[in-house]
Amino acid sequence: AQTVTQSQPEMSVQEAETVTLSCTYDTSENNYYLFWYKQPPSRQMILVIRQEAYKQQNATENRFSVNFQKAAKSFSLKISDSQLGDTAMYFCAFMKLLPPTQGGSEKLVFGKGTKLTVNP
Amino acid sequence: GAVVSQHPSWVICKSGTSVKIECRSLDFQATTMFWYRQFPKQSLMLMATSNEGSKATYEQGVEKDKFLINHASLTLSTLTVTSAHPEDSSFYICSARDPPLGPSPSSYEQYFGPGTRLTVT
Repeated sequence: AQTVTQSQPEMSVQEAETVTLSCTYDTSENNYYLFWYKQPPSRQMILVIRQEAYKQQNATENRFSVNFQKAAKSFSLKISDSQLGDTAMYFCAFMKLLPPTQGGSEKLVFGKGTKLTVNP
Repeated sequence: GAVVSQHPSWVICKSGTSVKIECRSLDFQATTMFWYRQFPKQSLMLMATSNEGSKATYEQGVEKDKFLINHASLTLSTLTVTSAHPEDSSFYICSARDPPLGPSPSSYEQYFGPGTRLTVT
């Protein structure tokens, strides 16, 4: 079974600085996707960034970028120029595609999350 | 962007009663919807996957007779918690996606609803 580990339960960063959230995962799959989701106090899940496992190039979305190390099964999130609105829980997630014999759908497995606080 | 709504956003029910939670995709047709459960300060755990017009696929350990899922249309899935007990109190989140158009992860993006807080007294 796939597992996702986020080793930092809580982190804090000063506004305008850079912070990196770590995530490791365990899988025997070769084709999968990785995601970072943000859950602010409103509890609405928001997709931050996504990465295909077969792509070596790291994904980037404005201030958010990832460091994807497939061999090490590591998928860290870097937030540059942190803003107060970045304060939230951040969940790393692994998605695998299920074969038709298992429903043919996909399954998201989430890590336990990292609570990020951006201080003014 | 794709919007998913949930109703109600918060519900309180008495032990032994049943409560229904609705999940709607507002601007797209969702062939597949997912139901998650989130305990306080914890992660999301997938409960079941529902495909329109077919039976839901439940994750191991989830009682299908207790958590009834119906996906009767391409825009609506419902989760009914039957004979609720205090231990069922939790935050329930649904997500939905439209049919994948290709192999890229954007084809499998799940759009999340705002969640429903269930309190069983």
